[in-house]
Amino acid sequence: EAGVVQSPRYKIIEKKQPVAFWCNPISGHNTLYWYLQNLGQGPELLIRYENEEAVDDSQLPKDRFSAERLKGVDSTLKIQPAELGDSAVYLCASSWGGTTDTQYFGPGTRLTVL
Amino acid sequence: DAKTTQPTSMDCAEGRAANLPCNHSTISGNEYVYWYRQIHSQGPQYIIHGLKNNETNEMASLIITEDRKSSTLILPHATLRDTAVYYCIVRVSIMNRDDKIIFGKGTRLHILP
Repeated sequence: EAGVVQSPRYKIIEKKQPVAFWCNPISGHNTLYWYLQNLGQGPELLIRYENEEAVDDSQLPKDRFSAERLKGVDSTLKIQPAELGDSAVYLCASSWGGTTDTQYFGPGTRLTVL
Repeated sequence: DAKTTQPTSMDCAEGRAANLPCNHSTISGNEYVYWYRQIHSQGPQYIIHGLKNNETNEMASLIITEDRKSSTLILPHATLRDTAVYYCIVRVSIMNRDDKIIFGKGTRLHILP
C-alpha cells in the first residue's frame, strides 16, 4: 500500500514569490492534515479536512496561506506571497478518521525562502 | 502548549531497552496517550497509543501509570535505526472535532553503538 505522497520534496524560492505544495493521502483516508514544522520543533497543525470540508483552519494564516481539497482526495497548500519566515518543512498527514485516528505522515516538503 | 513533558534528550546503548518517560499530569479521563517518532528528514511515524491499560505491539510497549499522569515508552532492543525524536502526545478521540494534536519538542533519542 502506498503511503502519503507529497511533492515537491524540496523547494527554493525568493521572497514574495508564490509556492504550492501537493499531497495525495492514503487511499480511503477521509481526513487530511497539513502541518508546519520549524527546525528543532514539533509539527504544528495548519488545517484539517474531513473529506472536502476544512473542519479546523484556525491556525492557518489566511492572509497569505490557502488550501483546498476539492474532491476530498488530494490537497494543495499555497503560500502567496512567501516570506523569509515561511522557511520550514510542510508535512501532510492522513487518517481513516476512526475513533483512534492514527495519522500517517508523508515525507514533507522542505521550503527555503531566500 | 503541549500537554506533556519529556526530557530533551536521552542516550541508550544498542541492544539495550530504551525507556522514554513522559509526564501528562493534566490528562483527562477521555484522553489517549500517543507516541510518534520522527527519524531525520522523514515525517513522524506512529508507534503506539493507549488509554488506561498497558499496550504492546511489534514496535514497542507502552506502560501507563495507574493514575495516568505519566507513561513510559519501551523499545525492548534498541538498534541504531531507532535514533529519532520521540513525541508523546495526549488527545481525545477524533469524535471531538475541536481536538488538536500538539506535538511539543519531544525527546531526541541517540542509540549508541
